[in-house]
Amino acid sequence: SQQGEEDPQALSIQEGENATMNCSYKTSINNLQWYRQNSGRGLVHLILIRSNEREKHSGRLRVTLDTSKKSSSLLITASRAADTASYFCATVPGGGADGLTFGKGTHLIIQP
Amino acid sequence: DADVTQTPRNRITKTGKRIMLECSQTKGHDRMYWYRQDPGLGLRLIYYSFDVKDINKGEISDGYSVSRQAQAKFSLSLESAIPNQTALYFCATSDLFSADLNEQFFGPGTRLTVL
Repeated sequence: SQQGEEDPQALSIQEGENATMNCSYKTSINNLQWYRQNSGRGLVHLILIRSNEREKHSGRLRVTLDTSKKSSSLLITASRAADTASYFCATVPGGGADGLTFGKGTHLIIQP
Repeated sequence: DADVTQTPRNRITKTGKRIMLECSQTKGHDRMYWYRQDPGLGLRLIYYSFDVKDINKGEISDGYSVSRQAQAKFSLSLESAIPNQTALYFCATSDLFSADLNEQFFGPGTRLTVL
């Protein structure tokens, strides 16, 4: 079963605007990661946030984690056309480092 | 050169055929994974391996088998392919020394179509 659920499933915004995607998960985690996938291609790791962290930044990316609500958000600021992609959250269970459990993803379209 | 490579990149086959998908990595990672992705869905774990002697089933291992021939190579086999195994298949690796983080590095994927 899939642990994470991203919201919204699809998002279309104008270039330069900020994009926010949310992820909810069900069980305790060691960390939560966000990945990007360009159409039909491999996934690229964007950012990782540990269960004891609440917020993390990397360039134009900002991730928050609320373990009490079992939710995370990914904010992309000043969006660019090249940000058009699908974004997935993935969780690592609290007990170990087996395979990642992915959500279904948010498809982000940046309109020029 | 890409760190994680997959062959073939595309494959069309018929129901009942045996298919092998191959994955090679030059990252020196111990851990390797096979996932499948269906349209509109995230990735689901098929098998994973922590070293050459270690193979573990994932969420959807039925109908698949794997072989870890070397640290750098991890193959996925479909013994008798069926149409609902049509999907995009990804190989991934992660580093033992950041095991608690489990950041993974993905190959470009193999698009498999079973007719």
